[in-house]
Amino acid sequence: ETGVTQSPTHLIKTRGQQVTLRCSSQSGHNTVSWYQQALGQGPQFIFQYYREEENGRGNFPPRFSGLQFPNYSSELNVNALELDDSALYLCASSDSGTIKIQYFGAGTRLSVL
Amino acid sequence: AQRVTQPEKLLSVFKGAPVELKCNYSYSGSPELFWYVQYSRQRLQLLLRHISRESIKGFTADLNKGETSFHLKKPFAQEEDSAMYYCALSGQGNDMRFGAGTRLTVKP
Repeated sequence: ETGVTQSPTHLIKTRGQQVTLRCSSQSGHNTVSWYQQALGQGPQFIFQYYREEENGRGNFPPRFSGLQFPNYSSELNVNALELDDSALYLCASSDSGTIKIQYFGAGTRLSVL
Repeated sequence: AQRVTQPEKLLSVFKGAPVELKCNYSYSGSPELFWYVQYSRQRLQLLLRHISRESIKGFTADLNKGETSFHLKKPFAQEEDSAMYYCALSGQGNDMRFGAGTRLTVKP
C-alpha cells in the first residue's frame, strides 16, 4: 500500500508568482483534501476534491484553486502569491466511504519572499 | 461558528503520570471529533475518533456535549507519547477544523 506523497518538499517563490503543488493519494483513496498550516498553528482546510469535483471549500480566496485527476492525484494552485502564503501545505486522502478518516502527506514547505 | 480550542500550547508530565490534553469546541449541530498526533519527524496521523469509542495506545477521549469538550486522557504517560497533538472537528460538511495543537513532553 502506497501512502500519500507530495511534491516538491520545499519551494521558494517571490511575491506575485504562481505555484503548483502536487499530491498522490494513498492507493484506493478517491478523495483529496488540502490544508494550509502556518507556523505554530493547526492545519486550515482549503478544499476537498472527490471524483474530480470540488466537494467543499474553506475560507480561502479564489486565487487558491485545485484539480483532481482521474487517477485521484491532485494539484493545488496558488496565484498572485502573497507573503502570508508562506506555510506548510498538507494533502490528505481518504476513501469516500470513510471520508473523514484522512491520511496525510508529509507536506510541501512554501516560502514566499 | 465552528471553532476548536486547545488551551495549552505546551504540556509537560513525568513518565507514569496521568495526562489530559484539553479540547473545547463550538458547533451548533452534532459534530464529529478527532484527535490527530504528529510524532517527531513523522506525518500527521489519526489517533482516535469519538464515534469509535476505542482506546488507542492507552489514550481515550469522551465527547461531553454539555461541556462541549473532547479531552484526551491517558492514565500513565510514556516517553514515546511525546508529540504534537491536534484536536479536530468535522461538522455536516466535508471540512475538518483543527485546533492549534498541544505539544506534550513526557519526561523520564
